[in-house]
Amino acid sequence: EAGVAQSPRYKIIEKRQSVAFWCNPISGHATLYWYQQILGQGPKLLIQFQNNGVVDDSQLPKDRFSAERLKGVDSTLKIQPAKLEDSAVYLCASSLDSGRAYNEQFFGPGTRLTVL
Amino acid sequence: KNEVEQSPQNLTAQEGEFITINCSYSVGISALHWLQQHPGGGIVSLFMLSSGKKKHGRLIATINIQEKHSSLHITASHPRDSAVYICAVNGNQFYFGTGTSLTVIP
Repeated sequence: EAGVAQSPRYKIIEKRQSVAFWCNPISGHATLYWYQQILGQGPKLLIQFQNNGVVDDSQLPKDRFSAERLKGVDSTLKIQPAKLEDSAVYLCASSLDSGRAYNEQFFGPGTRLTVL
Repeated sequence: KNEVEQSPQNLTAQEGEFITINCSYSVGISALHWLQQHPGGGIVSLFMLSSGKKKHGRLIATINIQEKHSSLHITASHPRDSAVYICAVNGNQFYFGTGTSLTVIP
């Protein structure tokens, strides 16, 4: 079974530039998560989708971050414009059903973003 | 205050030692997860449990729901076990600990 795919694996940009990350979850997984993990910290949930609907985006900095999952399958996360403090690993995960239930998440390899 | 606290933050062990990593949480949960993160950044789910004990090879995870505490044990540790181990819980949302960085020296 293919795992969660993410691209790119690495990205270096200058502050105020824009960047987009892509995630393809495991086939059949209804729930998709985007996390931000700053060096030395645990992952922080940015947004959770159930199919193509948003379940939780309370910690997403909506002035600069946006995410979509239009067809309920793959998803993109965008940062516009980027700030230095956005340097982090962006992890995508998926699970079979709602994250509120008894459920296991499967993680992608992450995208390491460096903002100069 | 973090909803999930792990200890220790850093741990160095000699190959073959028995290792314990602890996790305490303050919210009501439906499940607790132990995750392993290698230096490249990828995360692998080791265990998901809501009661009792689970064992996979040299790894054992236990949870005490009443005390809101879980432990991850590694028996006969090996250098390839070196990684960051993260405890996460399903509450009304996912909460993650900051991780325990384990280094096993040959």
